[in-house]
Amino acid sequence: NAGVTQTPKFRILKIGQSMTLQCTQDMNHNYMYWYRQDPGMGLKLIYYSVGAGITDKGEVPNGYNVSRSTTEDFPLRLELAAPSQTSVYFCASSYPDRGHPEQYFGPGTRLTVT
Amino acid sequence: QKEVEQDPGPLSVPEGAIVSLNCTYSNSAFQYFMWYRQYSRKGPELLMYTYSSGNKEDGRFTAQVDKSSKYISLFIRDSQPSDSATYLCAMSAAETSGSRLTFGEGTQLTVNP
Repeated sequence: NAGVTQTPKFRILKIGQSMTLQCTQDMNHNYMYWYRQDPGMGLKLIYYSVGAGITDKGEVPNGYNVSRSTTEDFPLRLELAAPSQTSVYFCASSYPDRGHPEQYFGPGTRLTVT
Repeated sequence: QKEVEQDPGPLSVPEGAIVSLNCTYSNSAFQYFMWYRQYSRKGPELLMYTYSSGNKEDGRFTAQVDKSSKYISLFIRDSQPSDSATYLCAMSAAETSGSRLTFGEGTQLTVNP
């Protein structure tokens, strides 16, 4: 049971390039989330999904897109990368029916846009 | 005003000290209160969670929630160098884990041997 895995671990992008951050969970969790974490700023929700085919915006969705075609995978797409998207990105998942609020996080992707 | 405010630190204590980490919040709908620990260059991991007001103890860690004051605390007894990390408080308004969490900005703790 690997939990939540993310790839790549690190990436450097040039301004205007695009990329997809991958996230996979093997816990059969329905809910998945993407956060970004800037230094000293806590975690900001970008997008979340309550199940395959269903996604919704979080607090800071501009510049990002998501899709959820399977329960396991929740990729985050960056189009036209900008320096403001330099951050650490975390994917998380949770199982809503157990009455427990905890979310399980992946190890993160450290992205630099120059 | 931010929904969740957390003392930013950084906090530096000697080994064996009692550590107090705190958050205040403004949303009365929050019912679930969590503390996450995040080691450097790692993802956050759930340390403790509490439903509504009261205390919860787990080994050297005690979480307290005072809903009347909208104030939560995490106490670490006999702190160890391995406790050095950033601690994030998080809160949820719904009883299912699918609800969105609102995080504090984190407090960086260093425990010196």
